[in-house]
Amino acid sequence: QIQLQQSGPGLVKPSQTLSLTCAVSGDSVSSSIAAWNWIRESPSRGLEWLGRTYYRSKWYIEYAASVEGRMTINPDTSKNQFSLQLNSVTPDDTAVYYCARASGPGKGHFDPWGQGTRVTVSS
Amino acid sequence: DIQMTQSPSSLSASIGDRVTITCRASQSINNFLSWYQQKPGKAPQLLISVASNLQTGVPSRFSGGGSGTDFTLTISSLQPEDFATYYCQQCYTIPQTFGQGTKLE
Repeated sequence: QIQLQQSGPGLVKPSQTLSLTCAVSGDSVSSSIAAWNWIRESPSRGLEWLGRTYYRSKWYIEYAASVEGRMTINPDTSKNQFSLQLNSVTPDDTAVYYCARASGPGKGHFDPWGQGTRVTVSS
Repeated sequence: DIQMTQSPSSLSASIGDRVTITCRASQSINNFLSWYQQKPGKAPQLLISVASNLQTGVPSRFSGGGSGTDFTLTISSLQPEDFATYYCQQCYTIPQTFGQGTKLE
């Protein structure tokens, strides 16, 4: 059974960096058939895909245009986890952040998801 | 980006009702369409992939259909545990995008 366990702070000050980690069990972040994603949910934006990393003989990382330049996703094979860093946060980045595994046809469906981390950007 | 539009945004229904939610993509996505159920305070859960493939453990009262730009999620006989918010999502291209959700109440 594949499980994703998120960790990280729930409160970040404006202009600082939001950092979250997603630990994977039951699968490998180096899997050749899966991709590892970050998604957020807010009342203003709904469910928004942020980015992903995956391994196909080498590592690939892709970001949504809305966060490119501010966001970094890092896979960590030694701990079998992947992380999100979002720089220069503003109150608009307040959301519930999820990690999710994607697999299957096309760019893949998301299953399973992490439990979610409610992040508030406030001083 | 591909826009996903769900209708209705909310739906009032009763136990035993047959309910259909529609999802329209702004361009053809073949059958690369997934449906999720989300309950308050929880992460979305995958119900259906590639438009009509019911996931293991999902009750058979749920079904999905469609291809190209128009898709449906049908619940044949609504049960108390089905009151939730439902989302469609295209996995045809990056960025993967979601509908705005349909709240079943």
